[in-house]
Amino acid sequence: DVKVTQSSRYLVKRTGEKVFLECVQDMDHENMFWYRQDPGLGLRLIYFSYDVKMKEKGDIPEGYSVSREKKERFSLILESASTNQTSMYLCASSYHSGEPSYEQYFGPGTRLTVT
Amino acid sequence: GQQVMQIPQYQHVQEGEDFTTYCNSSTTLSNIQWYKQRPGGHPVFLIQLVKSGEVKKQKRLTFQFGEAKKNSSLHITATQTTDVGTYFCAGLSNDYKLSFGAGTTVTVRA
Repeated sequence: DVKVTQSSRYLVKRTGEKVFLECVQDMDHENMFWYRQDPGLGLRLIYFSYDVKMKEKGDIPEGYSVSREKKERFSLILESASTNQTSMYLCASSYHSGEPSYEQYFGPGTRLTVT
Repeated sequence: GQQVMQIPQYQHVQEGEDFTTYCNSSTTLSNIQWYKQRPGGHPVFLIQLVKSGEVKKQKRLTFQFGEAKKNSSLHITATQTTDVGTYFCAGLSNDYKLSFGAGTTVTVRA
């Protein structure tokens, strides 16, 4: 079974802190994604990566950065946390091709609260 | 950019009744995927539709992809309490970007 793990289920940080969210997948997937999930807005893509050291902006990249130094690990960084970044953060991974195409496997999520 | 709209946002269903959730894209899609997220859980892949007009069934769930590959629907018959959760559609564009709808959250009255 594919396993996507995230470093924390719950996290509380103060405004202005630098926050690191880690994601690891064990299926040798090429693609990795970071989403945030807010009520009524669904899943919004923050950043994604198709390969090591490669990153692409998603729909809402402002205030975030990412790092992918190894294929299995994709980190989301909040440079200076703000209260409007309080949300559920979901990491996902997928193969780059194959059937079904781009099916995404999600981690359990990190509920981040910024006070 | 591509937008995927999903309605209704909420669906309150009497146990045993049927319901449908709809998904519409502003652009033609390569494929459409459906995910289910149980309360407190994470999205889990259900199915993928690729061909124009394709229909697939999983027990009481019927998934349909429109002829123009811009819309999709999920129909659930004889709703059970195990159907509770949020159902997301996700459309894959021709440049391989997956865009999620806002989801339909389903509650069931016993």
